Amino acid sequence: NAGVTQTPKFRILKIGQSMTLQCTQDMNHNYMYWYRQDPGMGLKLIYYSVGAGITDKGEVPNGYNVSRSTTEDFPLRLELAAPSQTSVYFCASSYLRDSYEQYFGPGTRLTVT
Amino acid sequence: AQKVTQAQTEISVVEKEDVTLDCVYETRDTTYYLFWYKQPPSGELVFLIRRNSFDEQNEISGRYSWNFQKSTSSFNFTITASQVVDSAVYFCALSEGLGGSEKLVFGKGTKLTVNP
Repeated sequence: NAGVTQTPKFRILKIGQSMTLQCTQDMNHNYMYWYRQDPGMGLKLIYYSVGAGITDKGEVPNGYNVSRSTTEDFPLRLELAAPSQTSVYFCASSYLRDSYEQYFGPGTRLTVT
Repeated sequence: AQKVTQAQTEISVVEKEDVTLDCVYETRDTTYYLFWYKQPPSGELVFLIRRNSFDEQNEISGRYSWNFQKSTSSFNFTITASQVVDSAVYFCALSEGLGGSEKLVFGKGTKLTVNP
């Protein structure tokens, strides 16, 4: 199993540009999450999904959109990038019943200038 | 509302010293889950432990041990005989509800540096 994979690993965006951060998991997990980690801070939940076709907002959803058309994929869309979105983005997944451990991807480091 | 406080921003120790990382949480739920994650310099997050609110037994895993005390809302993490490879940022996290890890709230993390 590859686990949770994220692409790209690094990206520099100009203000106002848009992009999609990709996240795929091959563990057949129901739950998937997107977090952002700002320097010196813990992770903050952006969006999460409890299954294909179902998404919900987390703590800091403004400026982002998500979709979950399959169990495996959970892309995060940034529209009109702003400097405040400079951060490291982590995707994670977990089972509902068997384990509550979240498995994290390696992260995407995004800089908006 | 849920809240996790890790008051220690940075800790520096010398190899072989014992070190305790503090975690204090706030929740109104009676059912909740507590976690510790490790983030080494490479950046990925590694799960260390999950504990539910009904299980107050302390846990030991090799050099790692966890002390869960509901009376003080604390879930502290001790590394015995620390090693350089333990250098990382450690996050404590809290999840409320029967669904378990629907939403994790993270503390700000404690950066541990173990010097040779």
